[in-house]
Amino acid sequence: QKEVEQNSGPLSVPEGAIASLNCTYSDRVSQSFFWYRQYSGKSPELIMSIYSNGDKEDGRFTAQLNKASQYVSLLIRDSQPSDSATYLCAVNNNNDMRFGAGTRLTVKP
Amino acid sequence: NAGVTQTPKFRILKIGQSMTLQCTQDMNHNYMYWYRQDPGMGLKLIYYSVGAGITDKGEVPNGYNVSRSTTEDFPLRLELAAPSQTSVYFCASSYSPGQSVEQYFGPGTRLTVT
Repeated sequence: QKEVEQNSGPLSVPEGAIASLNCTYSDRVSQSFFWYRQYSGKSPELIMSIYSNGDKEDGRFTAQLNKASQYVSLLIRDSQPSDSATYLCAVNNNNDMRFGAGTRLTVKP
Repeated sequence: NAGVTQTPKFRILKIGQSMTLQCTQDMNHNYMYWYRQDPGMGLKLIYYSVGAGITDKGEVPNGYNVSRSTTEDFPLRLELAAPSQTSVYFCASSYSPGQSVEQYFGPGTRLTVT
């Protein structure tokens, strides 16, 4: 069974803080990794993708991948109330995309 | 571009009824996908298609059927609806068949089976 695990939260951080979201996966041959943001009642939207070990930065977002540990994370710097949403980790291998259940993030003003 | 559109937005079905969820994309994407999302859960892949005339099962295909007669359209058919099919259904599409597969999602269809 190919699993993607995330802490369900809720994760609460004050405005301006760093939010750290974590994800582990079981399929060792997974090749691409994604973070989606989903506002309540809305569809997921892609915020980060990462394919090789290390860090990838895009604005306030940094994705980190460690394939040996089967671990991917998302850091959100200078968190804003508008970042309050559920963050879904997704892991793909040859079109077999598996999603975690998501971590609910609340950023308090 | 409208992107990925889905109809209807909401639907209530009685047990045993059938319906088709429509999905259309105008981005000329080859790949299309159907997911369901149960409350508090992640998305589970039902079916996907790599091009017109080609479909394949995902993680949870039982109780569903799909067809892909054109690049733009990928309808999902529910036969003999059951309460376990109460969920939010998302259609998605992507351009690249490779590993850098960013998927674009439609707004979803909220289905209740009673």
